Amino acid sequence: DAGITQSPRHKVTETGTPVTLRCHQTENHRYMYWYRQDPGHGLRLIHYSYGVKDTDKGEVSDGYSVSRSKTEDFLLTLESATSSQTSVYFCAIHGQGSNEQFFGPGTRLTVL
Amino acid sequence: ELKVEQNPLFLSMQEGKNYTIYCNYSTTSDRLYWYRQDPGKSLESLFVLLSNGAVKQEGRLMASLDTKARLSTLHITAAVHDLSATYFCAVDMDRGGSNYKLTFGKGTLLTVNP
Repeated sequence: DAGITQSPRHKVTETGTPVTLRCHQTENHRYMYWYRQDPGHGLRLIHYSYGVKDTDKGEVSDGYSVSRSKTEDFLLTLESATSSQTSVYFCAIHGQGSNEQFFGPGTRLTVL
Repeated sequence: ELKVEQNPLFLSMQEGKNYTIYCNYSTTSDRLYWYRQDPGKSLESLFVLLSNGAVKQEGRLMASLDTKARLSTLHITAAVHDLSATYFCAVDMDRGGSNYKLTFGKGTLLTVNP
C-alpha cells in the first residue's frame, strides 16, 4: 500500500459546510496527488503537489484547494461543499524509483 | 486536451477464453499505466510501460505499448473468475515533464463467467 493512509474513510456532510480530507504517507515521496472517481468518468486529477508548499491544479480543481506544509501530509479542502462533490476521493503518490503511482484506500464523501 | 479511450467498456467472457482491452490516447506520451480495481476497493498497479514497444507480463495478463499508434493493449489469456474486476489505463499527460500527472480512461468492467 506504499504507506498511504487517508482520513476520514467515510464522511457525510451538508451542502455549504467546509470539509478537509487528509492524505498521509510514510515514505517521504515528493509527488502527491488527489483524484476523484465518479461513475462513467474514471479518475480525474484535482490537484497535485511536487514538494512542500508546491502545488498546482489538475483537470477538475474548481471548488477545491490543497495544502502541503509537510512532506508526509497533503490536505484537500472543499471550502463549501456541494452535492456535485459527492464522490470517492483517492490520494496517490508517485514512486520515482519505480515510476509507479500508488493509491491510498480512498475516502467516500457524500454531500447532502 | 489529452483524451484516453478504452474499449470495450464492458466485457463479459467465459473462463478459458482470450481477449484484449484497448487503450487509445490522443497525444504523444511514452508513459502508460494499467490498474485493476475491485468493487469498493482502491486501485492496484498492474503495469507501467515506459517506452515504445514495451511489453510486460504477469500471470494471465500481458500489456504492450505502441507510442507511434498511441495504443496500449491489455491481453487476457485463458481467463479465470479471479480476473473479474475493472481495469483502467492511464496516460502521463505531462509530456517531457516530470510531474507524472495521469489522465485515466473510463475503465473496462470485466466479468469472467464459469
